[in-house]
Amino acid sequence: DAGITQSPRHKVTETGTPVTLRCHQTENHRYMYWYRQDPGHGLRLIHYSYGVKDTDKGEVSDGYSVSRSKTEDFLLTLESATSSQTSVYFCAISAGPTDTQYFGPGTRLTVL
Amino acid sequence: AQKVTQAQTEISVVEKEDVTLDCVYETRDTTYYLFWYKQPPSGELVFLIRRNSFDEQNEISGRYSWNFQKSTSSFNFTITASQVVDSAVYFCALSEAGAGGTSYGKLTFGQGTILTVHP
Repeated sequence: DAGITQSPRHKVTETGTPVTLRCHQTENHRYMYWYRQDPGHGLRLIHYSYGVKDTDKGEVSDGYSVSRSKTEDFLLTLESATSSQTSVYFCAISAGPTDTQYFGPGTRLTVL
Repeated sequence: AQKVTQAQTEISVVEKEDVTLDCVYETRDTTYYLFWYKQPPSGELVFLIRRNSFDEQNEISGRYSWNFQKSTSSFNFTITASQVVDSAVYFCALSEAGAGGTSYGKLTFGQGTILTVHP
C-alpha cells in the first residue's frame, strides 16, 4: 500500500472556525490531490499540486486553500468552515499525471 | 469537459450471481485513462484497474473482468460468481492526458454504484 496518512481522521468543528487537514506521504510522489466525497456526487477535486509550491484549483475550490511547502505534505485549509463543507475528504498521490492515484484513508469532517 | 456516468445507483444480487457495473464516459481527448476503484464499508478507496485509451483489450483478473469499448464510450466491470466480500461502492473515473500532459491527472469520478451481495 502507498504510504499516505491523513490527519485528523475525524473532526467536529463549528461554523466559522478555521480548519486544516493534513496529507502526508512517504512515496516521494510529485502529484498530490484533495477530493471531497458527498452522497450522490462521487468524489470531486478540490485542489491539486504538481510540485512543491505548485498548486491549482479543482472543480470545487471555493472556500478552500492549499499549501505545499515540502514534497511529503499537502495541507488543505478551510478558512471559515461552513455546514456545506461537512464531508469526507480524501487525499491522493501519484508519481505522474497519467499514473494511478492512490488514496489516503480519508478525514470525516463535520461542521455544526 | 470530461464526464463519467454510472447510471446504476444500487445493485443487489445473491451470492454466486454474476453482476456487471456500467460506466459511460465523455471526453474530447484522444488520449485518456480510465480507472475503477472499490470502496468497501470500511471507507478506504482501493484501486482496481487502470486502462489507457489505446488499449481496448479486455482484462480479466480472477473473478473480475473489464470490457472497454471506445465505440460506445463504455468501460464496464463484471464480477463473476459474486461474494459477500464484494459488497462495496464501486467508482469509475476518467483522466485526460491533455496537450503536453497539461491535465495534471485530474480525475473525474462517476457517482458510484452501491453493490450489495446477499448470502
